[in-house]
Amino acid sequence: ETGVTQTPRHLVMGMTNKKSLKCEQHLGHNAMYWYKQSAKKPLELMFVYNFKEQTENNSVPSRFSPECPNSSHLFLHLHTLQPEDSALYLCASSQERARTEAFFGQGTRLTVV
Amino acid sequence: EDQVTQSPEALRLQEGESSSLNCSYTVSGLRGLFWYRQDPGKGPEFLFTLYSAGEEKEKERLKATLTKKESFLHITAPKPEDSATYLCAAPSGSARQLTFGSGTQLTVLP
Repeated sequence: ETGVTQTPRHLVMGMTNKKSLKCEQHLGHNAMYWYKQSAKKPLELMFVYNFKEQTENNSVPSRFSPECPNSSHLFLHLHTLQPEDSALYLCASSQERARTEAFFGQGTRLTVV
Repeated sequence: EDQVTQSPEALRLQEGESSSLNCSYTVSGLRGLFWYRQDPGKGPEFLFTLYSAGEEKEKERLKATLTKKESFLHITAPKPEDSATYLCAAPSGSARQLTFGSGTQLTVLP
């Protein structure tokens, strides 16, 4: 148990579907992150939230839409995805943005068909 | 541009054969260097944080060290259960985000 919980663990969706990934952290952290991990590639930062405010959007396509209703919860809304979006999506949290160690959830394995 | 580079990409060791993994970085004003372990299909597990040159941290068979230009993860007498991908990361110069290396995939054979 890492203190960061992601659901679902696995998701298969069609290109016309709409789905959401959920992340919850029980560590009292102020910053939360979405990362994408594709095979043979480094972790790619997608979004950063600090005290519920989005502070980074690393040129992520609009078919990915984050939502952070409070410091403990983070969502990633997905719609009209492409097969190349299939990857492991990781949520993380840290006490401070990038200055302290981040703790990761177990990830959601997403397959777009 | 901030960069974190890990080598080798893959490493195969026999059980008990000690070795080191390298993480070099070109981040101005280093504000910490983080090491993680990642098992297949799972999220990275935090191992160590190093903040200043000369600092060392140990956990079981792992020891992380830091110089002004690079960090090493030394693995002493590894066991098959140490097989995983080891990632290092450093905050970007503006400290707005973590930059991760591509990782070293370690396989320890029994």
